[in-house]
Amino acid sequence: DTAVSQTPKYLVTQMGNDKSIKCEQNLGHDTMYWYKQDSKKFLKIMFSYNNKELIINETVPNRFSPKSPDKAHLNLHINSLELGDSAVYFCASRQGDRENTEAFFGQGTRLTVV
Amino acid sequence: QKEVEQDPGPLSVPEGAIVSLNCTYSNSAFQYFMWYRQYSRKGPELLMYTYSSGNKEDGRFTAQVDKSSKYISLFIRDSQPSDSATYLCAMNQAGTALIFGKGTTLSVSS
Repeated sequence: DTAVSQTPKYLVTQMGNDKSIKCEQNLGHDTMYWYKQDSKKFLKIMFSYNNKELIINETVPNRFSPKSPDKAHLNLHINSLELGDSAVYFCASRQGDRENTEAFFGQGTRLTVV
Repeated sequence: QKEVEQDPGPLSVPEGAIVSLNCTYSNSAFQYFMWYRQYSRKGPELLMYTYSSGNKEDGRFTAQVDKSSKYISLFIRDSQPSDSATYLCAMNQAGTALIFGKGTTLSVSS
């Protein structure tokens, strides 16, 4: 069973479109994240949710809106896509947010905006 | 200065070489230091973590932390082609998300 699963795995879309990425974890964790990885492999935190509540919202354009319908799901909706949004988006989960807990990552969603 | 700095490489070594990967950080509050490994087109996976200063060994891998210098290292002995991946250091404080270094891409040739 996949612990953290994201859909879709690949997404190619035109500028200006709106798209969503879905994430589900079956580990029973209470904290979930969205990270963005650019072409140089830099992994940057975007959002963090704990028990369905937004905890961290880094400097991310308002066009990005996360939604957590329950503890096991964290979706990312992106409005008015821009070329610079092209990247790999990773969902991750952890149990709590203590320093020593392992984060489990999904396989990533490769978004290409053309 | 960024919170976590890591030389992105790339780093190419022959099979059997000893590899040294390093990160520096600026936040003295960090206590747990992790190394994640990411294979091409996959998500990162935890390789090992170390608490505070000292060494930790796991098979061919050794993680070292020097808190006085704010410097962490990952050593890979007898490197294998299967070790070819991107290695990311990560750390955080309680209540915050993991902060990653830029990742070092390693290629081990047979």
